[in-house]
Amino acid sequence: DTAVSQTPKYLVTQMGNDKSIKCEQNLGHDTMYWYKQDSKKFLKIMFSYNNKELIINETVPNRFSPKSPDKAHLNLHINSLELGDSAVYFCASKGGGTDTQYFGPGTRLTVL
Amino acid sequence: AQSVTQLGSHVSVSEGALVLLRCNYSSSVPPYLFWYVQYPNQGLQLLLKYTTGATLVKGINGFEAEFKKSETSFHLTKPSAHMSDAAEYFCAVSRGGATNKLIFGTGTLLAVQP
Repeated sequence: DTAVSQTPKYLVTQMGNDKSIKCEQNLGHDTMYWYKQDSKKFLKIMFSYNNKELIINETVPNRFSPKSPDKAHLNLHINSLELGDSAVYFCASKGGGTDTQYFGPGTRLTVL
Repeated sequence: AQSVTQLGSHVSVSEGALVLLRCNYSSSVPPYLFWYVQYPNQGLQLLLKYTTGATLVKGINGFEAEFKKSETSFHLTKPSAHMSDAAEYFCAVSRGGATNKLIFGTGTLLAVQP
């Protein structure tokens, strides 16, 4: 059973399109995150939700909009995709009372 | 503000040799420190972490790290490298708590030569 899963694994799209990435965790965790890993492998936090409430919103263009329909899901919608959005996007989750974040397998987004 | 510096973007060792990956941190509050490993085209897997208590922490796959507050370091070591250890290693710091965002270093790519 996959603890943190993401779909799709690969996403290739044209500039200007709108796309979504989905994340689901079956760990019963309360907190979920989105991280972006750029072409140089640098990882940076984008958003975090706790019990469906946004608690971290880093300096991210407002073309990126996270949505958490329930505690187990955190989706990332990206409008008007740009070349610079090409990256690997990782979802992670964390349970209350622990400081360990569990990462999904990543979604490699390529914008042409 | 918190930050992490990983010295050496690429480290190459021979199979059976000592692995030492360096990590220094900056934090205005007691830090929580983590090492994650990323195998090619995969997600991040936690190797080990330090939050409180014993400063020498042991993780999976024979890795360990020591928190040295005086040196603001959290270096990762393994006595004997295995070919399967070849991967990207990330050191990260957080302040714990509800927000608990991880601040990552730039990563160290470990190559293991036969």
